[in-house]
Amino acid sequence: GQQVMQIPQYQHVQEGEDFTTYCNSSTTLSNIQWYKQRPGGHPVFLIQLVKSGEVKKQKRLTFQFGEAKKNSSLHITATQTTDVGTYFCCYDGGSQGNLIFGKGTKLSVKP
Amino acid sequence: KAGVTQTPRYLIKTRGQQVTLSCSPISGHRSVSWYQQTPGQGLQFLFEYFSETQRNKGNFPGRFSGRQFSNSRSEMNVSTLELGDSALYLCASSFRVSGANVLTFGAGSRLTVL
Repeated sequence: GQQVMQIPQYQHVQEGEDFTTYCNSSTTLSNIQWYKQRPGGHPVFLIQLVKSGEVKKQKRLTFQFGEAKKNSSLHITATQTTDVGTYFCCYDGGSQGNLIFGKGTKLSVKP
Repeated sequence: KAGVTQTPRYLIKTRGQQVTLSCSPISGHRSVSWYQQTPGQGLQFLFEYFSETQRNKGNFPGRFSGRQFSNSRSEMNVSTLELGDSALYLCASSFRVSGANVLTFGAGSRLTVL
């Protein structure tokens, strides 16, 4: 399946600063999902976006799906130490059970 | 509902040995997917089972195999272990949301091959 590229690979922020990670594809995606993996943990589903230009919010997290459905972003406002972890984007390419994951953005937050 | 349960959580093997990992999906879920996670390659799809049938397989050698039982529990097996098989092996239940599969992962089985 087509890869999705995530940038940046790493992000170090001071607590209270904002954070954004981007997910880019060269082809149009039917959907985009975001997962969070805490250090030592396993990926946990955050959200799915399916519509062009869709924006969804979860408290301090804002997720966007681009108009062309080729990119997505996750923005965290006023980061907290609980936001530490790796954020993955992925999409369901249509093959049973096979989600294509980006390499993730690892976020560290300095108190 | 109980989540996805994987056993064992940690194991150490030596090269050439084989290993079997177990996964119990969320009660009532019939689809089980397996992923390998390594620092270098990230999350890579291994295979997916539904009602005891393998519906999809990722790009892994034949040393990696799996099966699913009638109670939806799944096992994966890796034979002739290599150092590069050291990884976190994640099992997931999947459910459909807006036409796409959404995954609920277990805690994983961390395999170290010496």
